[in-house]
Amino acid sequence: EPEVTQTPSHQVTQMGQEVILRCVPISNHLYFYWYRQILGQKVEFLVSFYNNEISEKSEIFDDQFSVERPDGSNFTLKIRSTKLEDSAMYFCASSGGLGTDTQYFGPGTRLTVL
Amino acid sequence: GQNIDQPTEMTATEGAIVQINCTYQTSGFNGLFWYQQHAGEAPTFLSYNVLDGLEEKGRFSSFLSRSKGYSYLLLKELQMKDSASYLCAVRDEGVTGGGNKLTFGTGTQLKVEL
Repeated sequence: EPEVTQTPSHQVTQMGQEVILRCVPISNHLYFYWYRQILGQKVEFLVSFYNNEISEKSEIFDDQFSVERPDGSNFTLKIRSTKLEDSAMYFCASSGGLGTDTQYFGPGTRLTVL
Repeated sequence: GQNIDQPTEMTATEGAIVQINCTYQTSGFNGLFWYQQHAGEAPTFLSYNVLDGLEEKGRFSSFLSRSKGYSYLLLKELQMKDSASYLCAVRDEGVTGGGNKLTFGTGTQLKVEL
């Protein structure tokens, strides 16, 4: 069964450093998303991406964040200068043709900012 | 915006039936999803409702009343492995091209006991 994959599973970084989180969405999906979940809190939407551009972003997704689809399979989230409060689990998700389909989530990357 | 409420915790007995409720107030609505999340893992899709009524998938059923802003997830023949957090999520409407974001509730932690 196709699934979303993410690397790394755990990333530890120093405050102020740049991190890139990587995702491989399900191969025939067209819509891609990043969500985050701070420990003990709810899952929060960050950004959605379609046709090589951002279709929607939340207030959390400020200038420190960017997304990219560098090739036909990968989808990345970059945080330029990490802050302590960026520590969270970051989930990538993808959905199929019309954007009304179910969003399937990857296993997540746990980001720890020291 | 979206406001989603669900109970924080529930406890049930193995083999029993449990109903997890979710109420929502939204500025737009394009479907309601239920996900299961085990600790430290990704949300896993369980069910989806966009029209009023009951959707059944094996041991899991979900109900939606759009006029009341209300949904429930029904789990039958509970097993120990069903101990997890159950997330109610509402999908927005109206983003051009689709890829509409999900807004999650805080989740209901279900504990299944012997």
